[in-house]
Amino acid sequence: NAGVTQTPKFRILKIGQSMTLQCAQDMNHNYMYWYRQDPGMGLKLIYYSVGAGITDKGEVPNGYNVSRSTTEDFPLRLELAAPSQTSVYFCASSTTGGPGELFFGEGSRLTVL
Amino acid sequence: TQLLEQSPQFLSIQEGENLTVYCNSSSVFSSLQWYRQEPGEGPVLLVTVVTGGEVKKLKRLTFQFGDARKDSSLHITAAQPGDTGLYLCATHKAAGNKLTFGGGTRVLVKP
Repeated sequence: NAGVTQTPKFRILKIGQSMTLQCAQDMNHNYMYWYRQDPGMGLKLIYYSVGAGITDKGEVPNGYNVSRSTTEDFPLRLELAAPSQTSVYFCASSTTGGPGELFFGEGSRLTVL
Repeated sequence: TQLLEQSPQFLSIQEGENLTVYCNSSSVFSSLQWYRQEPGEGPVLLVTVVTGGEVKKLKRLTFQFGDARKDSSLHITAAQPGDTGLYLCATHKAAGNKLTFGGGTRVLVKP
């Protein structure tokens, strides 16, 4: 079972570059989320989506954009990368908004130099 | 100020010892979840508690939800090296769609 798949697993960016983190789930979940986790810390919500075509901001949306054109895919776009965006990014999905279980991908480690 | 405060931040114990980690807030929760995250992986759900005073057991792990639904604890009996990881509590905000995490407790169980 694939579950939630994130690519790439590792990436180094230079300041000012842009990139897209890919996230795909094969569980037909309506809800999808992007979190970032700084070293030794908990997770902070960047953006979330309750279904195709619907997205909303989380706690720390600045510097990021998302889209949800299909149920399966929820890419996260970083525009004009900054060192403060160095982090591990996790995509997750769930069948309901709460208090259902979130299923996480393995994470994408991003370094901005 | 974080919605969820976890303590301690770090705990190092020997195999066979017991440990308790805490998750506290000034807000009342409709439900609370505990996740465990191992190095290089995403968090995995351990339990969801929804009723004040509720106690749930998962093998050597015991989860308790406070009577006032403002706090929770996780107790591990006879810890093993496989219990090593980051333990995160999380709750859904009133809107129901967004899961908010505490800062986590990093547990190291030495053989």
